[in-house]
Amino acid sequence: QVQLQQPGAELVKPGASVKMSCKASGYTFTSYNMHWVKQTPGQGLEWIGAIYPGNGDTSYNQKFKGKATLTADKSSSTAYMQLSSLTSEDSAVYYCARVGYYGNFYAMDYWGQGTSVTVSS
Amino acid sequence: DIQMTQSPASLSVSVGETVTITCRASENIYSNLAWYQQKQGKSPQLLVYAATNLADGVPSRFSGSGSGTQYSLKINSLQSEDFGSYYCQHFWGTPYTFGGGTKLEIK
Repeated sequence: QVQLQQPGAELVKPGASVKMSCKASGYTFTSYNMHWVKQTPGQGLEWIGAIYPGNGDTSYNQKFKGKATLTADKSSSTAYMQLSSLTSEDSAVYYCARVGYYGNFYAMDYWGQGTSVTVSS
Repeated sequence: DIQMTQSPASLSVSVGETVTITCRASENIYSNLAWYQQKQGKSPQLLVYAATNLADGVPSRFSGSGSGTQYSLKINSLQSEDFGSYYCQHFWGTPYTFGGGTKLEIK
């Protein structure tokens, strides 16, 4: 069965960077786009960007350009998101989600458990 | 960017009632819309894709409808396990924005 495994929590200092992982199993990692979503109580769900592990192509929400960097390691079926220059506004839960294909349509059909990032000194 | 306006923001309902949640896109998204359910402390789960198609395992009391800029999620005969938050998301060009969410609470 499809699974996306994410670490539960990260505590990082302001100004630092964090690189979080999303290990995929149960499907062909290189055949599906992996998306990343930010969730905060005040802002709801925000789409950060996506990576196609097959060739490394990425797409970002303009809002997160310069903040998020998406990469993927085909050998370990793991997607990564690095967030840089962290501030308190980056404190949130971050999800990875696979996007499935349904004919000409798409949807996030599998989600990781989320990584809770707390930015604090 | 396409804006997704979801309403209502919250709803207090009783088990057995029927509810409808709506999502309006700022431009035509040609049915490229998904609905998700999220329970407290859990990840969102896919309910509906392509505006009207139920994802695998989703009970038939859920239904999606709409076209163009207006979409709805209807839940017939609410069950206790249906309480939580619901979000719409479009897939018509990046960024794939979400609606603001609807929190369904027990009356």
